Amino acid sequence: EAGVVQSPRYKIIEKKQPVAFWCNPISGHNTLYWYRQNLGQGPELLIRYENEEAVDDSQLPKDRFSAERLKGVDSTLKIQPAELGDSAVYLCASSSDILGLTEAFFGQGTRLTVV
Amino acid sequence: DQQVKQNSPSLSVQEGRISILNCDYTNSMFDYFLWYKKYPAEGPTFLISISSIKDKNEDGRFTVFLNKSAKHLSLHIVPSQPGDSAVYFCAARGSNSGYALNFGKGTSLLVTP
Repeated sequence: EAGVVQSPRYKIIEKKQPVAFWCNPISGHNTLYWYRQNLGQGPELLIRYENEEAVDDSQLPKDRFSAERLKGVDSTLKIQPAELGDSAVYLCASSSDILGLTEAFFGQGTRLTVV
Repeated sequence: DQQVKQNSPSLSVQEGRISILNCDYTNSMFDYFLWYKKYPAEGPTFLISISSIKDKNEDGRFTVFLNKSAKHLSLHIVPSQPGDSAVYFCAARGSNSGYALNFGKGTSLLVTP
């Protein structure tokens, strides 16, 4: 079974430019998460989807970040415009229980560098 | 506000010995705890979990202990192997956090031959 797939693996952009990340969760997993991991820190939740509905986006900086999960499968996370402080690893994860009670499976992440 | 704390950023253990990684939490509503292992340039991978109704869960060389009264859990690896060298993240979830995982900052384990 394929795991969580993210692309791109690495992205370098200039500040003020837009950037988008893509995630394909494990087939059948209804819950999808986007996390951000800063250097030396643990992952921090940005947004959680149950199917196509964003049920927790309280930590998403909505002035510049947006996300969507069309048809409750793939998801994209966008930053526009990017700032230097957005440099981090962006992790996508999915889980199979609607309450998220099973463990979440993570993708390899997208390492974003804003210069 | 860090609700899950891993106060040891690094740990070095000799091969064959026990590795003990510690984690403390502040939110009494957390009811499920997980440990993830992360190698460089990879995403975290699930290692072991424990529900708040238990105080111990064992899976091969890995055992997680939960002390609810102290809001403390620990991961024991016995015997430690060089391939266990990685960053270990403690995570917790609960109903009042929307079931999303709250992670600690991680402990970097180095197992030396």
